[in-house]
Amino acid sequence: NAGVMQNPRHLVRRRGQEARLRCSPMKGHSHVYWYRQLPEEGLKFMVYLQKENIIDESGMPKERFSAEFPKEGPSILRIQQVVRGDSAAYFCASSPGTAFNQPQHFGDGTRLSIL
Amino acid sequence: AQSVTQLGSHVSVSEGALVLLRCNYSSSVPPYLFWYVQYPNQGLQLLLKYTSAATLVKGINGFEAEFKKSETSFHLTKPSAHMSDAAEYFCAVSATGTASKLTFGTGTRLQVTL
Repeated sequence: NAGVMQNPRHLVRRRGQEARLRCSPMKGHSHVYWYRQLPEEGLKFMVYLQKENIIDESGMPKERFSAEFPKEGPSILRIQQVVRGDSAAYFCASSPGTAFNQPQHFGDGTRLSIL
Repeated sequence: AQSVTQLGSHVSVSEGALVLLRCNYSSSVPPYLFWYVQYPNQGLQLLLKYTSAATLVKGINGFEAEFKKSETSFHLTKPSAHMSDAAEYFCAVSATGTASKLTFGTGTRLQVTL
């Protein structure tokens, strides 16, 4: 019974390159959330998606960041023209729905390092 | 809007001693509250959740938390610490009636000593 799968676990990029982070939710889960964790800080909400729809992107930076959750395949968090400040751990979580007794299950994260 | 304050970024206890990790919340609507644990280089694992049922919530690994509306608190406790409890603990809140994004506190790192 696989949990939330994120890949890669570690990603190194040079400034100006693109970073693509992938998240496969738990089986039967149709809701995906992305969070960012900066060093020594808690997780900050970025975006909430359902299949083919962005439900809440209030935590996404206005530029360079985008997310999608296509009908087929994993959810993708894309960061264009990365900068040093993008270095962080990015976590994906999934849930079967928005009923509030259904907690989110987290993946092990992608550690993004910008050289 | 919701927010969470975790008092004490680092807590150290002796093995066998009581664990108390503090969490206070702010919410304009009845909240749903969660405690998660994070081990090094891993994701977050749910310890327990409060969803407006019983105010004393029991979770995994012997942890429990009590929701106190008058104090806007949701402190995490464990009667006897074990070495394996050493980790980072996060309190989180989500609002009812909206998409269930979580707002996290800044975390408390628990150290357990012999």
